[in-house]
Amino acid sequence: GAVVSQHPSRVICKSGTSVKIECRSLDFQATTMFWYRQFPKQSLMLMATSNEGSKATYEQGVEKDKFLINHASLTLSTLTVTSAHPEDSSFYICSADGQGFRETQYFGPGTRLLVL
Amino acid sequence: DAKTTQPPSMDCAEGRAANLPCNHSTISGNEYVYWYRQIHSQGPQYIIHGLKNNETNEMASLIITEDRKSSTLILPHATLRDTAVYYCIVRVGPGGSQGNLIFGKGTKLSVKP
Repeated sequence: GAVVSQHPSRVICKSGTSVKIECRSLDFQATTMFWYRQFPKQSLMLMATSNEGSKATYEQGVEKDKFLINHASLTLSTLTVTSAHPEDSSFYICSADGQGFRETQYFGPGTRLLVL
Repeated sequence: DAKTTQPPSMDCAEGRAANLPCNHSTISGNEYVYWYRQIHSQGPQYIIHGLKNNETNEMASLIITEDRKSSTLILPHATLRDTAVYYCIVRVGPGGSQGNLIFGKGTKLSVKP
């Protein structure tokens, strides 16, 4: 149980294009999902918190118009990197929180984004 | 900022116990201690969590001091596959609004043959 998937696992795109990353909780409903970013040799940094059916809450310094988050159902959240640039190249990881009955957050395997 | 302090790196011989310390001197009464690990190029994996009592599961044991200002994660028989960065995190636990996890730098554990 407590499986979280991400798709795609890795993506290469040209500068200026948009990339969508999906995060799914496969065997539980997640009222809250989190999006993290991790640069090489650094720790995970929280980008935003998304609650099902409402707008995401972004951390300071994260552009909400650039990183669009949609949490339309209890099992799916998407992160869209709009007009991607090489500095957006990173490891993007989501996690899902089952609101209490699930004792903690469970993480997806991550998506490696490379912007050329 | 992370509320925990961990050594940046540790080595352990394969088959021996790995004891990973964590200091959390400012932990609040309603905060739990969580441990995750991240194997290279993967998402973090939940290991264990506890409030004040020692905990054990199939992966590890968690020993929390009586004053709750520090804890130790124990991997009883480390294998090469346990090589990873281990994160100790404190936050409000189950049953309420749990909030996000704040990751510090963690401890890079290297298990050597």
